[in-house]
Amino acid sequence: LAKTTQPISMDSYEGQEVNITCSHNNIATNDYITWYQQFPSQGPRFIIQGYKTKVTNEVASLFIPADRKSSTLSLPRVSLSDTAVYYCLVGDGGLTGGGNKLTFGTGTQLKVEL
Amino acid sequence: GAVVSQHPSWVICKSGTSVKIECRSLDFQATTMFWYRQFPKQSLMLMATSNEGSKATYEQGVEKDKFLINHASLTLSTLTVTSAHPEDSSFYICSARRRGDNQPQHFGDGTRLSIL
Repeated sequence: LAKTTQPISMDSYEGQEVNITCSHNNIATNDYITWYQQFPSQGPRFIIQGYKTKVTNEVASLFIPADRKSSTLSLPRVSLSDTAVYYCLVGDGGLTGGGNKLTFGTGTQLKVEL
Repeated sequence: GAVVSQHPSWVICKSGTSVKIECRSLDFQATTMFWYRQFPKQSLMLMATSNEGSKATYEQGVEKDKFLINHASLTLSTLTVTSAHPEDSSFYICSARRRGDNQPQHFGDGTRLSIL
């Protein structure tokens, strides 16, 4: 399983764009990159998933360079409610029959202030 | 959508009791379900992976006789903590994955287990 490295914490202010970068140097060919958000005492919530280049949905964008050894989650115009822990994970998406087993790293605690 | 429901959300019981936690995928069929444990201020730790109709695969260090997992249908998996002790107190979270390639895991809201 590919190990991921993220900053432990980040601070931002409401209305700003936040970019959280994750390193996954030993990502395998079949691995997808998935980001989750977790609030205290809740389960993680799926944000976005990608394989390469750029993926965008209604809440975030995911940028993946050609070598796929890192990825950046971009949250446009954050608000106080975006204060949470953000996890970057890599997994094979079930392609190899592994059932998309994921290993959670320490995550990034994002704190958004007024 | 991809909604995963976990029940109960919170349970307190005496030491020595067995506790069952249910995980249901409400609007999709989950070929694979996962069980995690999370201690305060820590990340999620995978306990086991279960595929519908087959035995669960446990991570190293997780006692299979202590944490019984049943995945009897495509929408339900259960985790039973047998003869629970205070050190089993934790936040237990399940996730479910749809059939098909590249499907992400969707998580329940967790069960806070407190053993007195």
